[in-house]
Amino acid sequence: DVKVTQSSRYLVKRTGEKVFLECVQDMDHENMFWYRQDPGLGLRLIYFSYDVKMKEKGDIPEGYSVSREKKERFSLILESASTNQTSMYLCASSPQTRGLNKNIQYFGAGTRLSVL
Amino acid sequence: AQSVSQHNHHVILSEAASLELGCNYSYGGTVNLFWYVQYPGQHLQLLLKYFSGDPLVKGIKGFEAEFIKSKFSFNLRKPSVQWSDTAEYFCAVLRRYYGNNRLAFGKGNQVVVIP
Repeated sequence: DVKVTQSSRYLVKRTGEKVFLECVQDMDHENMFWYRQDPGLGLRLIYFSYDVKMKEKGDIPEGYSVSREKKERFSLILESASTNQTSMYLCASSPQTRGLNKNIQYFGAGTRLSVL
Repeated sequence: AQSVSQHNHHVILSEAASLELGCNYSYGGTVNLFWYVQYPGQHLQLLLKYFSGDPLVKGIKGFEAEFIKSKFSFNLRKPSVQWSDTAEYFCAVLRRYYGNNRLAFGKGNQVVVIP
C-alpha cells in the first residue's frame, strides 16, 4: 500500500511564526501536492511538484512556499503564519508512470493547523 | 471560470435509502474523473475513477458512477446506504494546466446516514 505520512496531526502556532509541514511518501512517486481543506470550500491546491527541486504554484500559493530536496519529501512552509491560514493541510502523491495508477493521488492523514 | 460543481452540500438520509450525488464540470476535452471519500477521522481515499471505456464505473463498497459526456456530469450513486457510508464525498477532475496534470476538486458533499 502507498503510504503518505505527514509529520504532525495537530499543530498550534502563533501569528508570525515560521511553520514547516512535512510530508513523506514511500512509493517513489514523482508528483507531490499540498492542499488545504476548509469546510464548504473543498480542497484547494497550494503548490505541487513533479520532480526534485521543481515546484509549481497551485490555485492559492500566497503566503506559502515549498521545498523538495529529495524525491520522497515535500515540505510546505508558512513564512509568517497568519490566522487565516488556520486549516487542515493535506499532502498527496501520485505516479507519473503509465498504467492504471497514473494520476491517482494518494493522500496523507492531514495536519490540522491552528494559528492563534 | 472552469470548475467542478457539487450540489447539496449536506445530505441526510436513513439507512437503506438510495444516494445520488451530482457532479458537473466545465472543462473541455478529455477528462479523467474521480470520486474520493473521507470517512470521519480518516484520510481521503479513492472511491472510483473514470479514465475511458464503459461510462458506468463501479467502485468500492457498492458505489458506482456514470459519466455522461454530453452533460459534463459524473454522478455518484449507491442503491442502499449504510450507517458506515457517513462521510464527505469529493468529486475531482484531472485537468491539464501548462503541461502538468492537476486535480480540481468540488466543494464536497457531507453525507450523514441515520441508523
